[in-house]
Amino acid sequence: DGGITQSPKYLFRKEGQNVTLSCEQNLNHDAMYWYRQDPGQGLRLIYYSQIVNDFQKGDIAEGYSVSREKKESFPLTVTSAQKNPTAFYLCASSYAQNYEQYFGPGTRLTVT
Amino acid sequence: KQEVTQIPAALSVPEGENLVLNCSFTDSAIYNLQWFRQDPGKGLTSLLLIQSSQREQTSGRLNASLDKSSGRSTLYIAASQPGDSATYLCAVRPESGGSNYKLTFGKGTLLTVNP
Repeated sequence: DGGITQSPKYLFRKEGQNVTLSCEQNLNHDAMYWYRQDPGQGLRLIYYSQIVNDFQKGDIAEGYSVSREKKESFPLTVTSAQKNPTAFYLCASSYAQNYEQYFGPGTRLTVT
Repeated sequence: KQEVTQIPAALSVPEGENLVLNCSFTDSAIYNLQWFRQDPGKGLTSLLLIQSSQREQTSGRLNASLDKSSGRSTLYIAASQPGDSATYLCAVRPESGGSNYKLTFGKGTLLTVNP
């Protein structure tokens, strides 16, 4: 089955800890994205990557970091510098940056 | 700055009814518009993608229209079913080459179809 997987589905961390969210796709897509979703708000772009070893900041990149060492994988690290990390995180991919985006099932992160 | 508005925020209809969800955007210089469905606690499922040169797209009971010049799109759902209950999101992509990776999302319309 082709698709996007995100793990874990739920993640709990203590304040001050870094945490890494996984995103893997087997769609052979070049572009990958990370979004954050908060209640009552639209999705906001954190980072995106058009090709391996290249990524760009989105609208709310502060407190986050990413890597793109493989085409299939685009992990997101939520660092202790992110002031309000509790949210639902969604990973997406597309063939190219202006093509239809496909989304993974999401990871709900709770930081206490 | 592009802004996307979806009205109504919530809609409740009886099963079998035809319904229309609305999406408006402030900057008409868009490359395409995408409609998504999101079930509670889940990711987004792409429903329809309309290129800026198109007027409408159809998939099964769904029909999306686009009026780029007036900054509007509608999603028409025919013969609604309880399984259609979800949040529906629209997103627009700008024309400009440097930033057309970026989708701007509306906040969604929460649809409930009652049996």
